[in-house]
Amino acid sequence: DTAVSQTPKYLVTQMGNDKSIKCEQNLGHDTMYWYKQDSKKFLKIMFSYNNKELIINETVPNRFSPKSPDKAHLNLHINSLELGDSAVYFCASSQGASGGGEQFFGPGTRLTVL
Amino acid sequence: AQSVTQLGSHVSVSEGALVLLRCNYSSSVPPYLFWYVQYPNQGLQLLLKYTTGATLVKGINGFEAEFKKSETSFHLTKPSAHMSDAAEYFCAVSRAAGNKLTFGGGTRVLVKP
Repeated sequence: DTAVSQTPKYLVTQMGNDKSIKCEQNLGHDTMYWYKQDSKKFLKIMFSYNNKELIINETVPNRFSPKSPDKAHLNLHINSLELGDSAVYFCASSQGASGGGEQFFGPGTRLTVL
Repeated sequence: AQSVTQLGSHVSVSEGALVLLRCNYSSSVPPYLFWYVQYPNQGLQLLLKYTTGATLVKGINGFEAEFKKSETSFHLTKPSAHMSDAAEYFCAVSRAAGNKLTFGGGTRVLVKP
């Protein structure tokens, strides 16, 4: 059973297009995150949701819009894609304030903008 | 603000030799500290964590790390490297459970036969 899953695994698209990445966790966690890993492997938080409510928005351009329909899902929609958006996007989840702090990561979505 | 520094972006070790990856952090509150491993084209897997209590923590695959508050360090070690240890390793810090992780820049480990 996959704990944190993301779709698609690879996404290749043209500049200016709009795309979405989906994330689901079956761990019963109440907090979910999106991280971006750039070409130099640097990882940075983008968003965090707790029980469907946005709690962290780390100065991400408003072309990026997360949406959490329920606490098991956190999707990421990106409008007007730019070359600089090319990266690997990781979804993660954790138990929140009552947990041990560790986050469980999905396999990543490699986005390539041409 | 929190930050994490990993000394050495690349480390090369011989199979059977000691693996030592260095991590220093800055945090205004007692930190939660983590080491994650990333194999090629995969997500991150937790190796070990420190939250409170014993400062020497043991993780999976024979790794351990020691929290030293006076040195603001959380170095990762493994006594004997195995070929399967070749991967990217990330040190991370958070303020508390449910908070974002702030990552170091990562250290790529190469294991020579």
